[in-house]
Amino acid sequence: GAGVSQSPSNKVTEKGKDVELRCDPISGHTALYWYRQSLGQGLEFLIYFQGNSAPDKSGLPSDRFSAERTGGSVSTLTIQRTQQEDSAVYLCASSLGAGLTDTQYFGPGTRLTVL
Amino acid sequence: AQKVTQAQTEISVVEKEDVTLDCVYETRDTTYYLFWYKQPPSGELVFLIRRNSFDEQNEISGRYSWNFQKSTSSFNFTITASQVVDSAVYFCALSELDPRNTPLVFGKGTRLSVIA
Repeated sequence: GAGVSQSPSNKVTEKGKDVELRCDPISGHTALYWYRQSLGQGLEFLIYFQGNSAPDKSGLPSDRFSAERTGGSVSTLTIQRTQQEDSAVYLCASSLGAGLTDTQYFGPGTRLTVL
Repeated sequence: AQKVTQAQTEISVVEKEDVTLDCVYETRDTTYYLFWYKQPPSGELVFLIRRNSFDEQNEISGRYSWNFQKSTSSFNFTITASQVVDSAVYFCALSELDPRNTPLVFGKGTRLSVIA
């Protein structure tokens, strides 16, 4: 079956512009997660959704970052007024539920470059 | 606090050698899961294994094996007879029962290069 898909695969933007990154989870998966992978920083948790609600927004690095999920499926991560330090690969994952036993499956990521 | 440490940042081996990737974790929960993911050059994280805190049996899958030891808080991963296709970054991760904690905490990864 289809895995997690993300678009665009690459995004180059100028400092100060807003960007939107999209994630399509595996069909039937109720939980959706966003992570950021920066060079030398490993994988950093940003936010997760259970259905359309986001019980944990603690990982969002600043108020320029927001995410939404509608219809319990597609999610959009928005970064406003991008900065060079936002350059990273943004990874989305989904799982059947948000419980401990639910394995997360990852998409290919969106590589964001802020000039 | 949750923490996962992969002390080896890079490892290089010659094809057919065995290699062990180390993972040490910290948690206050008694119920947790440990994971290994593989990130090949294509970039997509691939799930390899999940292990719960109550099951310390070693796991073997083909050339892959995992050694979970609660006494040392370690969950090491061994690749036997390594192949060039094993070249990737490998991440160890921890998930705890406490819903107040970050859903999945990753180590910084170990980059494995297998040379023909």
